[in-house]
Order: sequence, then structure tokens, then C-alpha cells
Amino acid sequence: AQRVTQPEKLLSVFKGAPVELKCNYSYSGSPELFWYVQYSRQRLQLLLRHISRESIKGFTADLNKGETSFHLKKPFAQEEDSAMYYCALSRTGFQKLVFGTGTRLLVSP
Amino acid sequence: EAGVVQSPRYKIIEKKQPVAFWCNPISGHNTLYWYRQNLGQGPELLIRYENEEAVDDSQLPKDRFSAERLKGVDSTLKIQPAELGDSAVYLCASSFLAGGFSDTQYFGPGTRLTVL
Repeated sequence: AQRVTQPEKLLSVFKGAPVELKCNYSYSGSPELFWYVQYSRQRLQLLLRHISRESIKGFTADLNKGETSFHLKKPFAQEEDSAMYYCALSRTGFQKLVFGTGTRLLVSP
Repeated sequence: EAGVVQSPRYKIIEKKQPVAFWCNPISGHNTLYWYRQNLGQGPELLIRYENEEAVDDSQLPKDRFSAERLKGVDSTLKIQPAELGDSAVYLCASSFLAGGFSDTQYFGPGTRLTVL
């Protein structure tokens, strides 16, 4: 069975501090991993996916198959990064997403 | 572009009443998803359509939930009768599927259902 674990419900940092949102997964096959973000009063939207290896809004995430992790990182947090972040997994083909419970990031000035 | 459109945005009903949600996907997207998001949880897939065919409805509680996607475009999700535990946000998403691979899923704003 596929499972995504986000251990932190809330992560509170100050502006300019580094951020790491943790995501661990369990899946016996070859997964596709995603980070979705939901800003206040906005819809859920894709932030990044591991196959594209992009840096979006300064965020990066590396798939570590040995540790079954896909942590989201940003070296210097900004207030506009405050949002709800969801890690998600799917089988190759991106058809069914399994989401974690989400982590609320709060960046204070 | 409007993106995925859902209506209504909010719905309050009493238990045992029926309720329906409507979704219009992004133009050209052949795959449509209905998710349910309970408070404090991530979205969970209820049903996935490829064109008008429901290809994954394993998580849909079929005793009270039904869905349709006539003509392979917009879709309706229905609950009859609603129970207290159905209170949640119902999300619709769409994507383009080709060659067995689906592009990014785009989500609608959701319908927040409260069952009293």
C-alpha cells in the first residue's frame, strides 16, 4: 500500500531562516513524488515534482530512495511562503495521488 | 483561463438529505478526479474518470455516493442520503492523459459540505 507521512502539523520559522518540511513515504514500486501548496484562500496547486528537478520559488526537493524521503527545502524563508504544504505520491504515470496530512508553514517577520 | 470550476462553493444540509456537487474541468482535459478532504487530512481520491469511463472508484462509498461524467466533460458527484461524517471539502481535479501518462493535476476551489 502507498502511504505518505508528514510528521509535522506546524512549522514556524522566522523570515530568512532555512526551512525543511519533512516527507516520508512507503511504496514498494517506483514512485513519483510531488509537493502541492495551498496559500490562504487559494486552491491547491502543484509546487514541484521530483522528475522535473526544478527549483520553484526557491524550493527544492530531492528524492532519497534509500531513506524513502522527499523533504522540501528552502534556504531563506519568506513571509509569502506561509501556506499549507502537502506531499503526495503516485505510481509511475501520475494517475492517482496519495497525499500526506499536510504541514502548515508559518513564516514570521 | 478559469481553471477547474466547482459549484456550489459551500453547502449546508441536514443529515439524510441529498446533495450534489458539480465540476467543470479545464478544457481539453480528458481525466477528471473527485477527492474528499476531511478536516486536518490530505485529499483522498474517491473516483477517477478517463473521458466518460470511471476507471478507479474503489474508494467511493457506493451505498450512498454516485458520480457521473456524461459526454466526458463536466461531472456530478451525489450523496444520498448524507450522513454527519460526510462533512468535508470535496475537490475536483483534472488533467490530460496521453499514452498512459497523466500531466499535472489541476484542482478546483472545492465545495465545503456541512451536514447538520
